[in-house]
Amino acid sequence: DTAVSQTPKYLVTQMGNDKSIKCEQNLGHDTMYWYKQDSKKFLKIMFSYNNKELIINETVPNRFSPKSPDKAHLNLHINSLELGDSAVYFCASSQGRLAVQELFFGEGSRLTVL
Amino acid sequence: GQQLNQSPQSMFIQEGEDVSMNCTSSSIFNTWLWYKQDPGEGPVLLIALYKAGELTSNGRLTAQFGITRKDSFLNISASIPSDVGIYFCAGRSIQGAQKLVFGQGTRLTINP
Repeated sequence: DTAVSQTPKYLVTQMGNDKSIKCEQNLGHDTMYWYKQDSKKFLKIMFSYNNKELIINETVPNRFSPKSPDKAHLNLHINSLELGDSAVYFCASSQGRLAVQELFFGEGSRLTVL
Repeated sequence: GQQLNQSPQSMFIQEGEDVSMNCTSSSIFNTWLWYKQDPGEGPVLLIALYKAGELTSNGRLTAQFGITRKDSFLNISASIPSDVGIYFCAGRSIQGAQKLVFGQGTRLTINP
């Protein structure tokens, strides 16, 4: 069983389109995250949610809108895609809210904007 | 934002050699984690450290939480081909307890 699963794994789209990435975790964790990994492999946090509540929003453009229907799911919707949005987006989860411990990552969703 | 300085950025070694990499921060950290990322996969946790001075092993891997609480080290002994990948340090500071910040990664390449 995959602990943190995200779909799709690959996404190729045109500039200006809107796309979504879905994430689900079956670890029973309270907190979920979106990280962006750029072409230099640098991992940067974008958002975190705890029990459907937004905890962290790291100066991400408004075109990115996370949504957490329940604590096991965190989706990422991106409007008006730009070339610079091309990256690998990782979903992750952890136990706890006040102090994050170990993160468990999904396999990533590679977004290519043409 | 907080920065972690991880070095070296890349390493090219012979199979069987030992590997050392480290990570430093400008602020005090309460948690240090080491991850490995294989191509096309997400980072996988190798070792977690929660106490200054702590030394923890996971097979051929050993990591230490620096006494100053501003650094951490990862050593790999007797490297094998499957050790190839990108290794990331990650840490949690007192000020930013709700998130992990990551180092830039160390890309390990092994010549058989």
